[in-house]
Amino acid sequence: GEDVEQSLFLSVREGDSSVINCTYTDSSSTYLYWYKQEPGAGLQLLTYIFSNMDMKQDQRLTVLLNKKDKHLSLRIADTQTGDSAIYFCAESKSGNTPLVFGKGTRLSVIA
Amino acid sequence: GAVVSQHPSRVICKSGTSVKIECRSLDFQATTMFWYRQFPKKSLMLMATSNEGSKATYEQGVEKDKFLINHASLTLSTLTVTSAHPEDSSFYICSASGLAGSSYEQYFGPGTRLTVT
Repeated sequence: GEDVEQSLFLSVREGDSSVINCTYTDSSSTYLYWYKQEPGAGLQLLTYIFSNMDMKQDQRLTVLLNKKDKHLSLRIADTQTGDSAIYFCAESKSGNTPLVFGKGTRLSVIA
Repeated sequence: GAVVSQHPSRVICKSGTSVKIECRSLDFQATTMFWYRQFPKKSLMLMATSNEGSKATYEQGVEKDKFLINHASLTLSTLTVTSAHPEDSSFYICSASGLAGSSYEQYFGPGTRLTVT
């Protein structure tokens, strides 16, 4: 079955880069997403990447995809205290199918 | 991006009562809506898939008589939690999917926090 795995916690110092890793098992995944969730709030789509891409950069965010290893990472450059949140990796087969989420990585940024 | 709203954002109800949560796509036609549930400090679990004008498809372990889903129009789906109990307390999030050009795109609502006392 489908499965998405992430490490549960990551702690970084303000100004450093954060790298959150994710692995998935479904080779037919077409869309791979990163969502941010702050306490008590809903999901905020940060970025997504198609499976035929290997990198996408958007300001401080860089997504790397290794399709062969089914490994996805999110790099946040110059991490700020406002980046403290839970980050969910998710995959779907298309824009019209449900997302399968990882358990989320809690990022703590130390000032 | 497109906007999906949920109403109410928070609701507290007594055990045994029913609660209806609305999910609306505000600026696009959502042929499919998904309902997810998030337990505290846990990931999102898909509850059901709802296609406009047809019965919802429920995931294994989700009671269809307890979680009634209606998708009567291309912009509205509702989730009714019937005879709610404290264990139904959770964060319920919908997502709406529709055609944007030649491909489908999916957007999430802000979620509804249900507390059953």
